[in-house]
Amino acid sequence: KNQVEQSPQSLIILEGKNCTLQCNYTVSPFSNLRWYKQDTGRGPVSLTIMTFSENTKSNGRYTATLDADTKQSSLHITASQLSDSASYICVVSVEDSNYQLIWGAGTKLIIKP
Amino acid sequence: ETGVTQTPRHLVMGMTNKKSLKCEQHLGHNAMYWYKQSAKKPLELMFVYSLEERVENNSVPSRFSPECPNSSHLFLHLHTLQPEDSALYLCASSRTVGVETQYFGPGTRLLVL
Repeated sequence: KNQVEQSPQSLIILEGKNCTLQCNYTVSPFSNLRWYKQDTGRGPVSLTIMTFSENTKSNGRYTATLDADTKQSSLHITASQLSDSASYICVVSVEDSNYQLIWGAGTKLIIKP
Repeated sequence: ETGVTQTPRHLVMGMTNKKSLKCEQHLGHNAMYWYKQSAKKPLELMFVYSLEERVENNSVPSRFSPECPNSSHLFLHLHTLQPEDSALYLCASSRTVGVETQYFGPGTRLLVL
């Protein structure tokens, strides 16, 4: 069964600290993996996208990694800011499917001053 | 975020009411989607439209009825809903149907009493 599991479910850190969010998937065949950021009361916004051959991709203070062998991805946030408070969602696309995306339940991140 | 707009942002309705959710995208995309987001659960894909043709109906109850009059507009007609239908309803668009990045609207927060 295609699944995406994210951990932790929620996380609270102090402003300025770093953190890492995890995503494990059992999706086959794999096409690509995205991380989305969803602010409270808003729709998700794409942060990064990685294909099978990409190990890491950065977007400002956000760095995503992908290990296709272990089927794991992580999202590392450096020098966190209050505006990073949001839910972070991992999404995996199924190859040969026009629209089948397997969504994780997200990690709710709270940055405290 | 102004690329995809949704109205209303909040809606409270009784189980016997009929209401409609509206989505409009200003990105020139050809694919549009309806998702349901319940608390602490992954996004659930409801409907997919490509060039105004429905290409996916993910076992959604008939009390939800989509309409896509053109590639820029998408509606979700609601009637005789149940309390468990209370959720955030998100509209998204992408350049084409497939593994393209989806751009989301802010959502409509629906409460069914």
